[in-house]
Amino acid sequence: GENVEQHPSTLSVQEGDSAVIKCTYSDSASNYFPWYKQELGKRPQLIIDIRSNVGEKKDQRIAVTLNKTAKHFSLHITETQPEDSAVYFCAASNANFGNEKLTFGTGTRLTIIP
Amino acid sequence: DGGITQSPKYLFRKEGQNVTLSCEQNLNHDAMYWYRQDPGQGLRLIYYSQIVNDFQKGDIAEGYSVSREKKESFPLTVTSAQKNPTAFYLCASSIAGGLTGELFFGEGSRLTVL
Repeated sequence: GENVEQHPSTLSVQEGDSAVIKCTYSDSASNYFPWYKQELGKRPQLIIDIRSNVGEKKDQRIAVTLNKTAKHFSLHITETQPEDSAVYFCAASNANFGNEKLTFGTGTRLTIIP
Repeated sequence: DGGITQSPKYLFRKEGQNVTLSCEQNLNHDAMYWYRQDPGQGLRLIYYSQIVNDFQKGDIAEGYSVSREKKESFPLTVTSAQKNPTAFYLCASSIAGGLTGELFFGEGSRLTVL
């Protein structure tokens, strides 16, 4: 089955700087890669996802890049703000199957230092 | 206001007792899921249901049971057979079973076994 590794487990950055979270996956058949954000005491929410037919996707200050050859994908947050402080989870699956095949990473706790 | 509602938010249980966690959604989603979240680990799938009156085991189903008698409801019972039940439990739903897409999460239920 799929195995997703996520690094780092904790990350602190100065407000205004950029943050990068990296994930690797093992199953070359995986082609759907979502990122979820979980603020303290709140529910996880999808913030961005990418499918393997593209190498990069942006949405305002967040972007995700995908390297299929190396089997890794990354979340980039630019101009970080205090509200970016949260736990971020990456995940991977084969979109030909349902969400029950989604494998999550172990999470990264991002802290933005004012 | 559409969404997923989990209850209770906090639950304490004595060893040997069964407890049931409630999950209700008014999003008209076909698929519903139960995940377990432990510190330093990703979200792990317990059970899922793609349609009413049908459900399947996830990766860590031992010691848990579910039912799906109504589209809106997917309760999870943590039985006394679950060896390490203290955890944070998240319920989620998505539009259609068998398709990969956004998961909508509840706010979670924290179970503590005394």
